[in-house]
Amino acid sequence: DIQMTQSPSSLSASVGDRVTITCRASQNINKYLNWYKQKVGKAPKLLIYTASSSHIGVPSRFSGSGSGTDFTLTISSLEPDDFATYYCQQTYSAPLSFGGGTKVEIK
Amino acid sequence: EVQLVESGGDLVQPGGSLRLSCAASGFTFSTYTMHWVRQAPGKGLEFVSVISNDGLTTYYARSVRGRFTVSRDNSKSTLYLQMDSLGIEDRAVYYCGRATFTGGMNYYFGVDVWGQGTTVTVSS
Repeated sequence: DIQMTQSPSSLSASVGDRVTITCRASQNINKYLNWYKQKVGKAPKLLIYTASSSHIGVPSRFSGSGSGTDFTLTISSLEPDDFATYYCQQTYSAPLSFGGGTKVEIK
Repeated sequence: EVQLVESGGDLVQPGGSLRLSCAASGFTFSTYTMHWVRQAPGKGLEFVSVISNDGLTTYYARSVRGRFTVSRDNSKSTLYLQMDSLGIEDRAVYYCGRATFTGGMNYYFGVDVWGQGTTVTVSS
């Protein structure tokens, strides 16, 4: 089974900051990496699929990159609604798997 | 409006069984791969199961394989998760989700529509 490791597990940032979250797969997953945002008590929301494709309606400040084993989610300028937990997910092969999450908190 | 509504979550004793349902509306259910994902209290997201649009192909997390069974009734636009031999470790909010694009066993592009979740509590 493929293991997904996210870093950092949490970070503190201010509105307007540039934020980068990293996800590493235990083996090559090509481009099959997705990113989600989740607020407490709510279902996740898809941000990015296949590493770099933005889902419909996702603000342009969110971008994804990477391939193989190393991937990055970047928020170019943090807004108040962006304080949440972010998860990566590999969909290269089943069983699918998520990273442990990165909680973005207000500094 | 595209919508998924889960139901069936309850308090059950260890070793017990439960069946979750996920009612879909607003889209052609029979053309989409469907997912179950769970989240234990205060923890991260965990893949549970995925099923192809025709119900013929399924995959499970190692932690539930042999105890959980996913199925679907395309005539009723409903997804199911039969959970047997439940343990304390299965306590979680269970979400159903729709694959982002249509077609076969198409899990590659993530989950773009999620239900609100249904809570399963396992306790004696």
